[in-house]
Amino acid sequence: GAGVSQSPSNKVTEKGKDVELRCDPISGHTALYWYRQSLGQGLEFLIYFQGNSAPDKSGLPSDRFSAERTGGSVSTLTIQRTQQEDSAVYLCASSRQGGNTDTQYFGPGTRLTVL
Amino acid sequence: GESVGLHLPTLSVQEGDNSIINCAYSNSASDYFIWYKQESGKGPQFIIDIRSNMDKRQGQRVTVLLNKTVKHLSLQIAATQPGDSAVYFCATSRASGGSYIPTFGRGTSLIVHP
Repeated sequence: GAGVSQSPSNKVTEKGKDVELRCDPISGHTALYWYRQSLGQGLEFLIYFQGNSAPDKSGLPSDRFSAERTGGSVSTLTIQRTQQEDSAVYLCASSRQGGNTDTQYFGPGTRLTVL
Repeated sequence: GESVGLHLPTLSVQEGDNSIINCAYSNSASDYFIWYKQESGKGPQFIIDIRSNMDKRQGQRVTVLLNKTVKHLSLQIAATQPGDSAVYFCATSRASGGSYIPTFGRGTSLIVHP
C-alpha cells in the first residue's frame, strides 16, 4: 500500500498482559514516530526512529514501554504488564528524512483497551 | 516547557461560513508550525504549514496566519463544508537528533451543520 499501516486496528487485553503494536511505514521513509492519543487529547510523542536507531526516546512513559525498528522499515511498540491507563490510540507516522519541513504521514492507529 | 494550546475545544459553524480555529504556543524559539486534520477513526492528516519567517500562507480554501509577537496562529477555512468536520490540531516542532518532533495541542473539534 501507499500509506502507513498499523496492526492490529483494535486490541483488547487484560491488565498485566504484554502487547505488541506494529507499524509499517511508507517505503523509503527513514524517519518513524510513535505517538499516543488519549480520548479528547492531543498527540503525545513517544519515540522517534531514524533508520533503525532511536535518537529520541524521551516520550516513553515508563520502562514498560519499548520499541524497535528493523531493516529501516517495520517498527514494533511493546507494552509490558499493561495497565488501564495505557488505554489509548497509538499512532505511528513516517516521514521521508525527518527534516523540519518533511511531512509526517500518519497511520490509522491501534486502539488499545486494557480491561 | 513547550506547550501548545487551542482556545476552544469545539467550534460549530453553518455550511458555507468561514471558520477560524485559533492556537497559542509558548516557545518563542519555535520556527515551524503545522496544522493537521483528524477525522474520526483516522490518523492526523497534514493540511498546511508555515515557517516563522512568514506571517501568512494560503492553500486551497485554507489560510494560516502567524503572529509571532503574541505567539498565536490561526487556521481559516473558507466556505466550510460538511467534509471539513474533524478535529484540528496545531503543532510546533522542536529539533531532536537531526529530526523535528512536533508538539501537538489538544485539538479543536469543528462541527459543520448543513
